Amino acid sequence: DVKVTQSSRYLVKRTGEKVFLECVQDMDHENMFWYRQDPGLGLRLIYFSYDVKMKEKGDIPEGYSVSREKKERFSLILESASTNQTSMYLCASSSSGSPNEKLFFGSGTQLSVL
Amino acid sequence: AQSVTQPDIHITVSEGASLELRCNYSYGATPYLFWYVQSPGQGLQLLLKYFSGDTLVQGIKGFEAEFKRSQSSFNLRKPSVHWSDAAEYFCAVGARSNDYKLSFGAGTTVTVRA
Repeated sequence: DVKVTQSSRYLVKRTGEKVFLECVQDMDHENMFWYRQDPGLGLRLIYFSYDVKMKEKGDIPEGYSVSREKKERFSLILESASTNQTSMYLCASSSSGSPNEKLFFGSGTQLSVL
Repeated sequence: AQSVTQPDIHITVSEGASLELRCNYSYGATPYLFWYVQSPGQGLQLLLKYFSGDTLVQGIKGFEAEFKRSQSSFNLRKPSVHWSDAAEYFCAVGARSNDYKLSFGAGTTVTVRA
């Protein structure tokens, strides 16, 4: 069964900490995405990547960075966590930039910044 | 820029009754439209998608959606709801001009009562 795995289901961090959220997919997909999900706002795209070492800003990249050193792994980095980054973070992947390909999502990481 | 509106935040329906979830999009050309479902504690799963052709689209789990260009809508329907359909439903729109990146609505939570 195809899988997108996010390393942590729940994470609690303190303000100012550097936070790493890891995502691994086993489908050899070219594209990977990071979204944050907030009640009443739906999913908002933070960053995405169409290939190894490539990254593109999404709609809300401020306060975040990403790393894609290997095709299967896409990391989201909060350089200095703030309370307004408390949210559910969802990783997704797809096999091409075409709309014919669906997104496969991980189960999410619920991050709380105190 | 594309956008999606889901007017209903929460819908309660009796098991066996029909269900309709509304989705309105904003985009100048023909959009690519999707419905995703998120069960509690899970990532999002694709229910169905529309790119072109027949405006009535069949999906998994007995769901269907109809694209109506004149109303800028893509409403999701199911004739008879099961208790397992209790979940959050997201409508999303993509566009070739935006590299097919998806914009998601805020979501509609469906509660099924016995």
